[in-house]
Amino acid sequence: QQPVQSPQAVILREGEDAVINCSSSKALYSVHWYRQKHGEAPVFLMILLKGGEQKGHEKISASFNEKKQQSSLYLTASQLSYSGTYFCGTDDNYGQNFVFGPGTRLSVLP
Amino acid sequence: EAQVTQNPRYLITVTGKKLTVTCSQNMNHEYMSWYRQDPGLGLRQIYYSMNVEVTDKGDVPEGYKVSRKEKRNFPLILESPSPNQTSLYFCASSRSAETGGPYEQYFGPGTRLTVT
Repeated sequence: QQPVQSPQAVILREGEDAVINCSSSKALYSVHWYRQKHGEAPVFLMILLKGGEQKGHEKISASFNEKKQQSSLYLTASQLSYSGTYFCGTDDNYGQNFVFGPGTRLSVLP
Repeated sequence: EAQVTQNPRYLITVTGKKLTVTCSQNMNHEYMSWYRQDPGLGLRQIYYSMNVEVTDKGDVPEGYKVSRKEKRNFPLILESPSPNQTSLYFCASSRSAETGGPYEQYFGPGTRLTVT
């Protein structure tokens, strides 16, 4: 079952902060975050694992609430290069059911 | 250079004419996957493979076949393409997490397929 992402779209000015949320109805083993720029392939940003381990991007952070099956991606002091569509992906069945959310379109304006 | 390659990048074909989209990775990854991307629907998994000779259906497998005879290659086969398979296709590879599922996935550049 596809995770839910919110908001669907957000517009920011350079330097502003944004939060993108991802939630699932199932117990999750891991949450993954990717960014896709127009006309390009998705690029890995971060993975958060059950139990607290995470690996990711230097300037982007995320949280994972295992009890609520929710994750949030925090984009601070946004730059023009942050524009794109952000997808969360969830693994809820030991690798056998990895699914992406519908995406959140982020636009950063000068 | 670590990469995932896909060929062809663009393909226009006719209904019913069998085609294969190749995918190859040079990172010795166990996990490989195919996704299709359509406007408003995000990335939907077609098939995935946890290792050689181990493949399984994703969310939208109808009309597609895959094989994993070698670790580096994971071709996507459309035996009788139809117009509803017109889409942007991505191959991805990853080392396996403890569960056997993907860790960080590396995506190929994409194949834009049009079926008329």
